[in-house]
Amino acid sequence: KNEVEQSPQNLTAQEGEFITINCSYSVGISALHWLQQHPGGGIVSLFMLSSGKKKHGRLIATINIQEKHSSLHITASHPRDSAVYICAVRSMEGGGADGLTFGKGTHLIIQP
Amino acid sequence: DAGVTQSPTHLIKTRGQQVTLRCSPISGHKSVSWYQQVLGQGPQFIFQYYEKEERGRGNFPDRFSARQFPNYSSELNVNALLLGDSALYLCASSLNVGVNEKLFFGSGTQLSVL
Repeated sequence: KNEVEQSPQNLTAQEGEFITINCSYSVGISALHWLQQHPGGGIVSLFMLSSGKKKHGRLIATINIQEKHSSLHITASHPRDSAVYICAVRSMEGGGADGLTFGKGTHLIIQP
Repeated sequence: DAGVTQSPTHLIKTRGQQVTLRCSPISGHKSVSWYQQVLGQGPQFIFQYYEKEERGRGNFPDRFSARQFPNYSSELNVNALLLGDSALYLCASSLNVGVNEKLFFGSGTQLSVL
């Protein structure tokens, strides 16, 4: 059974701080997604990774396939970054027919 | 272009009733997937459809069913509702499935079962 663990569950930081959110998974995957969910439910896809590193603005996502681990970094954090960040993976088993497996999310609050 | 649209936005039902949730994908997207999100938890995969065929099914009872229409819109049906079915139901669309899949989510349908 594929399990996705995120840490920390909750994170409160001051504006400007460098933020790191971690995601570990237990099986071989074909892709890993980082998602952002704001209050009210809307989810936005931030990154889709299968290897290496991606950067978009102040957000950086990395993945280590051998260690089954990914990190999401936010540089120069801002109160508008406050949201729940969710990691989701697509297993290689079953041809991906099991869909995405999601972590429980990291609730991030950036204080001014 | 419109994003992924879901209807209704909120719904209140009683135990034993049946419900139909609707999802319209982004124009040109052929894949639609459904997720259930219970308060405080990450989403759980229910179904994925691609080109009108079921491509995957999560660990949900047979009370849950779905279909995709020729215009790629989709419906999720839940029969014999239980209190535990109360959740946010999310739909996502993508151009394709697999390694290059980029997901676009709707705002969800909040279902309350009383």
